[in-house]
This record gives sequence, structure tokens and C-alpha cells, in this order.
Amino acid sequence: EAGVAQSPRYKIIEKRQSVAFWCNPISGHATLYWYQQILGQGPKLLIQFQNNGVVDDSQLPKDRFSAERLKGVDSTLKIQPAKLEDSAVYLCASSLGPGEDTGELFFGEGSRLTVL
Amino acid sequence: GEDVEQSLFLSVREGDSSVINCTYTDSSSTYLYWYKQEPGAGLQLLTYIFSNMDMKQDQRLTVLLNKKDKHLSLRIADTQTGDSAIYFCAEISTDSWGKLQFGAGTQVVVTP
Repeated sequence: EAGVAQSPRYKIIEKRQSVAFWCNPISGHATLYWYQQILGQGPKLLIQFQNNGVVDDSQLPKDRFSAERLKGVDSTLKIQPAKLEDSAVYLCASSLGPGEDTGELFFGEGSRLTVL
Repeated sequence: GEDVEQSLFLSVREGDSSVINCTYTDSSSTYLYWYKQEPGAGLQLLTYIFSNMDMKQDQRLTVLLNKKDKHLSLRIADTQTGDSAIYFCAEISTDSWGKLQFGAGTQVVVTP
């Protein structure tokens, strides 16, 4: 079974530029998450989708970050304009969704963003 | 501050046992997890424990949960060099299903 796919793996941009990350979850997984992992910290949830609807985006900096999940499958996360403090690894994860027994999240390898 | 706290670093000799500790604050935690992250890779679920259990064993891994003290530990028996990684403790509650709250991670270094 294919895992969670993310691209690009690495991106270097200058501050005030924009960047977009793409995620393809595991087939059949209804729930998709974007986490931000700053160096030396644990991942922090940015946004959670259930199919193509937003469940939780309370920690998403909406003045610069946006995310969508068209058709309830793939998702993109955009940052515009980027700030230095946005340098982090952006992890996409998916899960079966509510009612799934263990709540296990399956993570992609992440997209590492460096803002200069 | 963090709702889930872990020590940041652990050094262990190959063949010895490792014990990684974690404390959490959410009394409504339903599941508690241990994830492993190797360099340049995503997080991989190692094991989990339901909050009504106090112990779970899975091959070399033993999870102990003290719900009264909100303390979770992961013991790795016969630690190998391949166990070198960052280990994250995480918790979830039924009123925020899917919203994993992670600790900052414990870096485990296994020396020959």
C-alpha cells in the first residue's frame, strides 16, 4: 500500500516569497492533516480536513497560510508571504477518520522549508 | 507551555534497555502514542495504549501508563543502533479526535 506522498521534499525561498506544498494521502483515508514541525519541537497541528471540509484550523495563521483539499483527496498548503519563522518541516498525515479504532495517523516524509 | 513533556536526550549502550518518559496534562486523554522519527523521515507509529490500560507489551517495546500521575513511559529492551532516533509521545482525547498533541521529542542515541 502506498504511503502518504508529499512534494517538494525541500524548498528554499526568500522572505516575502510564496510557496506551496502538495500532499496525496493514503487511498481511502477520509481525514487529512497538516502539521508544522519547527526544529527541536514536536509537530503542531495547522489544519485538519474531514473529506473536503475543514474540521480544525484554529492554529493556522490565516493571514499568510491557506490550505485546501479539493475533491476530498489531495491537499495543498500555501504560505504567502513567507516569514523567517516559517522555516520548518511541513508534515502531511492521513487517517481513516472518526470511528477508526486507534486514531493512528500515517505521516509523509515532510517538506522542509527554509526561508532566508 | 507544552501539554506533553519529555526529556530531550537519552544516551544508551547497545544491548541495554532504554526508558523514555513522558508526562501529560489532559485528563481526558483517550489514547497515548509513541512515534519514532528517523533523520529525514516522517513519523512512524511505534505503539499506542488506551487510557484504561496500564501496560502494553509488543516484542521489545513495553509501554507503562500511570493515569493517576499522568505519566507514560516506553521501555525498549535490548536496544540496537537502529533504535537511534527521536521518540515522540503524543496524546489524543475524544473531544478533539485526530488532533494529536505531541511532546518535543526525546533524542535517543545508541552507542556501541
